[in-house]
Amino acid sequence: GENVEQHPSTLSVQEGDSAVIKCTYSDSASNYFPWYKQELGKRPQLIIDIRSNVGEKKDQRIAVTLNKTAKHFSLHITETQPEDSAVYFCAASNSGYALNFGKGTSLLVTP
Amino acid sequence: DVKVTQSSRYLVKRTGEKVFLECVQDMDHENMFWYRQDPGLGLRLIYFSYDVKMKEKGDIPEGYSVSREKKERFSLILESASTNQTSMYLCAAGKLYGYTFGSGTRLTVV
Repeated sequence: GENVEQHPSTLSVQEGDSAVIKCTYSDSASNYFPWYKQELGKRPQLIIDIRSNVGEKKDQRIAVTLNKTAKHFSLHITETQPEDSAVYFCAASNSGYALNFGKGTSLLVTP
Repeated sequence: DVKVTQSSRYLVKRTGEKVFLECVQDMDHENMFWYRQDPGLGLRLIYFSYDVKMKEKGDIPEGYSVSREKKERFSLILESASTNQTSMYLCAAGKLYGYTFGSGTRLTVV
């Protein structure tokens, strides 16, 4: 099956700095790559996604880039705020049905 | 948005008990999923279903089974609960391009 590696496992940044989380995947047939944010005690929620025919996608302060040749994709958060503190999960799908998630990155934004 | 409801937020069960975790969605989605979330291990897929009475194994199906008798309900069954099944269980529903997760059931097996 698909194997998704995510780094780093923890990340601490100061408010206003940028944060980058990276993921690699194993199956070159994977074609959908979403990112989920999980605040403490809450359910994961989709924040941005990218499909394999696109190299980059941006939504306000967050952006995702995809390099299909290298089989990696990244989440970029600019001008971080304390409310960005959460666990972020990347995922990939090669089945058209189910998502395979990375192990998560705990992001802490300190004022 | 699809609304996904898990019947219990917290459960405590004894080793060897048969445990049922229930998940109900309020939209007409074919796809439903059960994940297990453990610290440092992320979200791991146990089983999923893409239609009534259809099921597919995920990455960690051992010790679990599922039931999908109606489109809106997807049940996860622990045939004989063990302490290593203590975890947070998350149900999800919807299309690939936008899962909606339930709030989770934190199961403790003692």
